[in-house]
Amino acid sequence: SYVLTQAPSVSVAPGQTARITCGGNNIGSKSVHWYQQRPGQAPVPVVYENSDRASGIPERFSGSNSGTTATLTIRRVEAGDEADYYCQVWDSSSGYVFGTGTMVTV
Amino acid sequence: QVQLQESGPGLVKPSQTLSLACNVSGGSVRSGGYYWGWIRQPPGKGLESIGYTYYGGNPFYNPSLKSRTSISFDTSKNQVSLSLTSVTAADTAVYFCARGPTNLGFYFDDWGQGALVTVSS
Repeated sequence: SYVLTQAPSVSVAPGQTARITCGGNNIGSKSVHWYQQRPGQAPVPVVYENSDRASGIPERFSGSNSGTTATLTIRRVEAGDEADYYCQVWDSSSGYVFGTGTMVTV
Repeated sequence: QVQLQESGPGLVKPSQTLSLACNVSGGSVRSGGYYWGWIRQPPGKGLESIGYTYYGGNPFYNPSLKSRTSISFDTSKNQVSLSLTSVTAADTAVYFCARGPTNLGFYFDDWGQGALVTVSS
């Protein structure tokens, strides 16, 4: 089965830049999506197809994907960005697969 | 704007069948161009895909759950249904339904609020 690996946690000071990585075999050839999930809430789409921002998401959020790593970057981090972030791809054998998730602490 | 709402029993006994419905408002499940998926999240853990379907097509299930899972439409109620048989405590989770456009590679842009299902005797 296809596995997506994320760092369990990232800590960042307000105003700084957070980089959340998602590793997978040849992930650069896949379309990667990112979701934000606050405690007790449903996931909210943030970035789709590697680098397109979802509706209502500020320009501070951006995505990239190359080789074996996809990255979600949050610039000028705010307290409201504190949440869990999940990457997701489609794999022909495994179906749609989620990463292990990264907790962002501000 | 479509809205999704999961409904069903919050408590299921071990070995029984978990049944949930995703009630859809603001859109029709018979509309083409969308995947309808189920995702679950055990307490304190990450997201796990269960499977998906689309109108007029065959459902696809997570290989690890395939033997116990069924996803189908109830067009008379405008619902997408999930059935998971022979449940154990490991199936305790918040279950989400979600919808995504078929032209965007299984990206889910609309989610229900989730329903907690506990498996316990």
